[in-house]
Amino acid sequence: DVKVTQSSRYLVKRTGEKVFLECVQDMDHENMFWYRQDPGLGLRLIYFSYDVKMKEKGDIPEGYSVSREKKERFSLILESASTNQTSMYLCASSAQETNYGYTFGSGTRLTVV
Amino acid sequence: KNQVEQSPQSLIILEGKNCTLQCNYTVSPFSNLRWYKQDTGRGPVSLTIMTFSENTKSNGRYTATLDADTKQSSLHITASQLSDSASYICVVSVYDSWGKLQFGAGTQVVVTP
Repeated sequence: DVKVTQSSRYLVKRTGEKVFLECVQDMDHENMFWYRQDPGLGLRLIYFSYDVKMKEKGDIPEGYSVSREKKERFSLILESASTNQTSMYLCASSAQETNYGYTFGSGTRLTVV
Repeated sequence: KNQVEQSPQSLIILEGKNCTLQCNYTVSPFSNLRWYKQDTGRGPVSLTIMTFSENTKSNGRYTATLDADTKQSSLHITASQLSDSASYICVVSVYDSWGKLQFGAGTQVVVTP
């Protein structure tokens, strides 16, 4: 069963901490995405990557960075966590041969206190 | 302005009844439209995907329709079950090389016994 795995379901971090959210996919997809989801706002794209070591800013990249050293792994980094980054974070992957059908991870609920 | 608008924002239906969710979009150029189901605390799961040449697609008790001329889609749930309680998200794909998606804010469906 193919899947996208996010390392943590729930995280609680303190303001100012550096936070790493990990995402791994086993489908050999070239594209990977990080979204955040907030009530009433839907999913908003933070960063995406279409190849190893490649990254592009999405709609709300401020306060975040990403790393893709291997094709299967895409990491989201909060350089200095703030309370307004409390959210549900969703990782997804897609590939051209599947008409870019997205497969989502189960999400990480991050709370910054 | 969100390019994908969903209505209603939420609805409550009795088990066994039918319901229809609406999605209007302004995304252009259009590639395809997807409906996702998202259970609370989980990542979205794909229900249907339709290109501009398709006007209906079914997945069990879920039937999606698409009118590419009026840029409207609907998701019909037949004989609802308690497990249908979830958020249903309309997602439109922009026609480009890597499948960037525009997400609606979702319709929260609650099925009551």
